[in-house]
Amino acid sequence: GNSVTQMEGPVTLSEEAFLTINCTYTATGYPSLFWYVQYPGEGLQLLLKATKADDKGSNKGFEATYRKETTSFHLEKGSVQVSDSAVYFCALIGAGGTSYGKLTFGQGTILTVHP
Amino acid sequence: DSGVTQTPKHLITATGQRVTLRCSPRSGDLSVYWYQQSLDQGLQFLIQYYNGEERAKGNILERFSAQQFPDLHSELNLSSLELGDSALYFCASSVDLVAGGSSYEQYFGPGTRLTVT
Repeated sequence: GNSVTQMEGPVTLSEEAFLTINCTYTATGYPSLFWYVQYPGEGLQLLLKATKADDKGSNKGFEATYRKETTSFHLEKGSVQVSDSAVYFCALIGAGGTSYGKLTFGQGTILTVHP
Repeated sequence: DSGVTQTPKHLITATGQRVTLRCSPRSGDLSVYWYQQSLDQGLQFLIQYYNGEERAKGNILERFSAQQFPDLHSELNLSSLELGDSALYFCASSVDLVAGGSSYEQYFGPGTRLTVT
């Protein structure tokens, strides 16, 4: 079955530091890949997505590139802010068949940014 | 605000009881998904409905059931509750089914936090 593995957290950074959260996946074919963010006490928000190999998703300064050869979708940001403190989830939707639209999530990475 | 609403926000109940969680999708969205978020299992897909019909099932217990009504709102029913059912339950909606390799964005509600005592 499909699976997503994220780097274990928590990740603690100082403001303006560079962020990388690693994500690798196992799936057949070409899944669609997503990063969701969950701020304290809130639901999940879609941060960015990529639907085919070599696509780069980007939003709010965050970027991730769909790498088929390494089955990865690492999240990066050049300069984090305190307001980026949240839990980040890597997720995929399998390609066709009985996957329909169900999201398979990684375990989440807690990011804390200090001033 | 995603446009997906869930009620109630918090629910505290005792073991053995039954509860109903309600979800209203974004206007125009036909698909509704239910997910469970717990500390030990993480975020897991439970079940999906599309335009009133069940489309996919995930790790949903037999004690749990769901339905989607003609007005497209959905309810998740949890019965014979156990301590381990304590979790955050999310509903998400999207405009359509996944088709041909493309994927429609899912918009999540704020969740219902269920505490079983």
